[in-house]
Amino acid sequence: QSVLTQPPSVSGAPGQRVTISCTEGGSNTGAAYYVHWYQQFPGTAPKLLIYGNTNRPSGVPDRFSGSKSGTSASLTITGLQAEDEADYYCQSSDSSLSVSIFGGGTKLTVL
Amino acid sequence: QVQLQESGPGLVKPSQTLSLTCTVSGGSITSGQHYWSWIRQLPGKGLEWIGYIYYTGSTYSNPSLKSRVTISADTSKNQFSLRLSPVTAADTAVYYCARGYDSFDYWGQGTLVTVSS
Repeated sequence: QSVLTQPPSVSGAPGQRVTISCTEGGSNTGAAYYVHWYQQFPGTAPKLLIYGNTNRPSGVPDRFSGSKSGTSASLTITGLQAEDEADYYCQSSDSSLSVSIFGGGTKLTVL
Repeated sequence: QVQLQESGPGLVKPSQTLSLTCTVSGGSITSGQHYWSWIRQLPGKGLEWIGYIYYTGSTYSNPSLKSRVTISADTSKNQFSLRLSPVTAADTAVYYCARGYDSFDYWGQGTLVTVSS
């Protein structure tokens, strides 16, 4: 089965840029599958932040951007703000089992 | 604006059946070629996709749970449901319903289900 690996935590000061990585392992070949990103605040449901590797849903600030190359995807937040402190999850599809899979999540701390 | 709302018991005894319903408003579950999924979040941990029902009524579940999962829909009420049986303490989690399968663009607020005697 495929797995998505994220760093447990990242941090940055207000105004800085931070990048959260998501690396595909296991049976996924990587290139053919989209990666999506979610933002989750404590006690609330995840919110779709990036879909299809690079696309932002309406209402998501352009400070948030996504990229993907091979088996690695990244979420970049520029101009970091205190309100960005949250958990971030990547998500993709497992080709062999036809299931949606999530990364373990990354806790972003704004210093 | 599509909205989803989970409902069901917050406490289930071990070996019994967890039953949850998701009520959808702002859109029909039988139109738009959408998938409607169940996802859970184990305490302090990440997210696990449970399964979906497609707008045609076809279903598919995560093989890790497949033999215990039943997903169905009541189109007259614009609802879809999850049954998980039998449950153990390891099934204690916040359960979400969401629209989608490849990605999930609308989510319910989530409901905590505790499995305990």
